[in-house]
Amino acid sequence: QQQVKQSPQSLIVQKGGISIINCAYENTAFDYFPWYQQFPGKGPALLIAIRPDVSEKKEGRFTISFNKSAKQFSLHIMDSQPGDSATYFCAASNSGGSNYKLTFGKGTLLTVNP
Amino acid sequence: NAGVTQTPKFQVLKTGQSMTLQCAQDMNHNSMYWYRQDPGMGLRLIYYSASEGTTDKGEVPNGYNVSRLNKREFSLRLESAAPSQTSVYFCATRRQGNTYEQYFGPGTRLTVT
Repeated sequence: QQQVKQSPQSLIVQKGGISIINCAYENTAFDYFPWYQQFPGKGPALLIAIRPDVSEKKEGRFTISFNKSAKQFSLHIMDSQPGDSATYFCAASNSGGSNYKLTFGKGTLLTVNP
Repeated sequence: NAGVTQTPKFQVLKTGQSMTLQCAQDMNHNSMYWYRQDPGMGLRLIYYSASEGTTDKGEVPNGYNVSRLNKREFSLRLESAAPSQTSVYFCATRRQGNTYEQYFGPGTRLTVT
């Protein structure tokens, strides 16, 4: 049972373009939605995260849009740069009995061409 | 301040061999996690430890055992390695309290032939 579905699997964007990655979840108990960025040969690192009490969070060129009723959230990367080329994972968690465990999507490989 | 360290970085095993993956953290975090990452599968939780002395199964625990040796160290053991356990293994930590962020180590790439 996949609780967090991520799309697309891969994405190619030109430098300066907008990269958009989407995720959908099933468990309405989730109350924390992070995005992790992973460069080749490295461990994932937290990029940006949102709680369900807001519909959007922006940090620099990175924005999370959150739609609670549709149970969907997305990552937008504005003015994409070659240095943004990495694998991006969405995830979801809840603070209840799950002990803050993260459920990850399958990942999106982003390539930004110069 | 090394953060989360994992040893070894790479390992090749033959089917049936055993080994232990080591994870250590100097962040004074209470919770520690072991994940495996396979192509197209994302990260899947194997085991976690909410605090020293406690461990619990995650999504894919079969074929693995863990030990929370102390607050700093959390090891993952493969008793009889199988080719299906070929993967990249990540350890992660989370500090205590109402916080969600997990901090990941650099990973161990394991190949079982």
